[in-house]
Amino acid sequence: SQQGEEDPQALSIQEGENATMNCSYKTSINNLQWYRQNSGRGLVHLILIRSNEREKHSGRLRVTLDTSKKSSSLLITASRAADTASYFCATEGSTGNQFYFGTGTSLTVIP
Amino acid sequence: KAGVTQTPRYLIKTRGQQVTLSCSPISGHRSVSWYQQTPGQGLQFLFEYFSETQRNKGNFPGRFSGRQFSNSRSEMNVSTLELGDSALYLCASSLAPRAGGTQYFGPGTRLLVL
Repeated sequence: SQQGEEDPQALSIQEGENATMNCSYKTSINNLQWYRQNSGRGLVHLILIRSNEREKHSGRLRVTLDTSKKSSSLLITASRAADTASYFCATEGSTGNQFYFGTGTSLTVIP
Repeated sequence: KAGVTQTPRYLIKTRGQQVTLSCSPISGHRSVSWYQQTPGQGLQFLFEYFSETQRNKGNFPGRFSGRQFSNSRSEMNVSTLELGDSALYLCASSLAPRAGGTQYFGPGTRLLVL
């Protein structure tokens, strides 16, 4: 499979704490994107980082990308109960022809 | 601006039947991609259409097909349904083919094959 792997598979934290999830992938990429999915619903785009970028911020989100290690991390600071969801990374291959999702991290934020 | 809509939202079929799912992209978006999501296999890319042409296809059998109309609306069809086709089918639209772009997802169609 060319899917990425996400780590951890599940994460449970207290409200106000930071949550970090990691994504590893296998092929050269144009960009890497993070999505959120609330239970059984569609995906919501969070942030896109291009292959020539190393770090990007959006509100309480911070994404890093290390193309030499083929890995990315998503940090959610000061988590809220509403952040409870599954988080997926998705990579667009350098040929632009395929789009692969990771296996996802299930985040639970306890109020 | 209305988001991506998918119909129907829920569907129950029996093995051997066929099914057609519909996706209406965001107004002005010309690229539509389809994904299958199952607990075991995760999110898998099915195919992408742009300007009524299939640009890319994932590793699915020929029972899975799709098309796109001149108004950018897209349909996917699954023939000879199998139990393993039970899944959430997600459609995503974007302004142009995915390269470097953001995809906007619909709520999905949940298909149950009995």
